[in-house]
Amino acid sequence: EPEVTQTPSHQVTQMGQEVILRCVPISNHLYFYWYRQILGQKVEFLVSFYNNEISEKSEIFDDQFSVERPDGSNFTLKIRSTKLEDSAMYFCASSRDLDTQYFGPGTRLTVL
Amino acid sequence: AQKVTQAQTEISVVEKEDVTLDCVYETRDTTYYLFWYKQPPSGELVFLIRRNSFDEQNEISGRYSWNFQKSTSSFNFTITASQVVDSAVYFCARGGSNYKLTFGKGTLLTVNP
Repeated sequence: EPEVTQTPSHQVTQMGQEVILRCVPISNHLYFYWYRQILGQKVEFLVSFYNNEISEKSEIFDDQFSVERPDGSNFTLKIRSTKLEDSAMYFCASSRDLDTQYFGPGTRLTVL
Repeated sequence: AQKVTQAQTEISVVEKEDVTLDCVYETRDTTYYLFWYKQPPSGELVFLIRRNSFDEQNEISGRYSWNFQKSTSSFNFTITASQVVDSAVYFCARGGSNYKLTFGKGTLLTVNP
């Protein structure tokens, strides 16, 4: 069964550094998403992406964040200058249409 | 904001007990979607079920069943004859016309042997 994959599984970085989180969505899906989950809290929407542009973004998704689909398979989330409060689990998800979003296993980001 | 409320923060049961996880949602959309996801200790989010707002038919899948009541804006999840492997955080979520999912805070279910 096809699944969403994410790399790396765990990323440790210093405050102020740039990080890129990578995702490979399910191949016939057209909609892509990033969510984050601060430890012990609920899953929060960051951004949705369709047809090579952002469809919607939350208040959390400020100028420090950007997304890109650099080729036909990858979908990336870049945090330009990480802050301590960016430490969280970041989930990528994809969907074929306005239907079920399937989530990847997550990348745990630790900012020191 | 259109919230999803999971009032039960933690539930602890003994194996083979039935357990119901509650979910109440708010929405202004005419068409919307409701979901349950399971997050085991390993951390991934596992899709369990999706219901469309125009389909109030309840669903059963093995030991899992879901009760969707538009009149009370609730979408409750029942596990029958719980097992230790059911121990996880369970999230209810709502999706609408804008593609994003709004999650509840989750219910931590612990099934003790």
